[in-house]
Amino acid sequence: QKEVEQNSGPLSVPEGAIASLNCTYSDRGSQSFFWYRQYSGKSPELIMFIYSNGDKEDGRFTAQLNKASQYVSLLIRDSQPSDSATYLCAVNRGNTGGFKTIFGAGTRLFVKA
Amino acid sequence: DADVTQTPRNRITKTGKRIMLECSQTKGHDRMYWYRQDPGLGLRLIYYSFDVKDINKGEISDGYSVSRQAQAKFSLSLESAIPNQTALYFCATSDNSLNTGELFFGEGSRLTVL
Repeated sequence: QKEVEQNSGPLSVPEGAIASLNCTYSDRGSQSFFWYRQYSGKSPELIMFIYSNGDKEDGRFTAQLNKASQYVSLLIRDSQPSDSATYLCAVNRGNTGGFKTIFGAGTRLFVKA
Repeated sequence: DADVTQTPRNRITKTGKRIMLECSQTKGHDRMYWYRQDPGLGLRLIYYSFDVKDINKGEISDGYSVSRQAQAKFSLSLESAIPNQTALYFCATSDNSLNTGELFFGEGSRLTVL
């Protein structure tokens, strides 16, 4: 079992729809959770992080965390073609550094105009 | 200019050759990392360094070595490259004072070993 699992996709949604990206993790000691966006040929960039159970909203993005189920998700509302990218889920045992940051393989999202 | 700069951006080499990938940063972060990215496998940590005197192995350090020449510079070496080291390599930094765990990535170095 991989430590961080994501559906590789591609996930295809029409413009304006809600895109839902899911991630599960195996280490119950994980404390911080991240979503990075990576455009083709580019480097990952952080779009959301979440530490506590529940929802965290930032603009069109909402991160959801359920530690009991070891599940974290990212919702993108009003999806735009510019949201088409690979989304990487990452988990970290601590809330500093990054040396224990484990990445999933990523989910490719395609938003159709 | 990018805050985290990697050189070279692309390199094609032959099996058995020594290769060095360099990373420099202007963010003033103490912590630096080298990751490799392969299709379907995500980003995997090769080495990390919390300061100039601190070097640690990541999950896939075999076949690699690193040097932290200064706070701003962290180099990755492949002493004798092999084809399965063909990958996209990323240098990253983090700021331990921010307490978020966010990683800041360089633009990547694509290495092909023939």
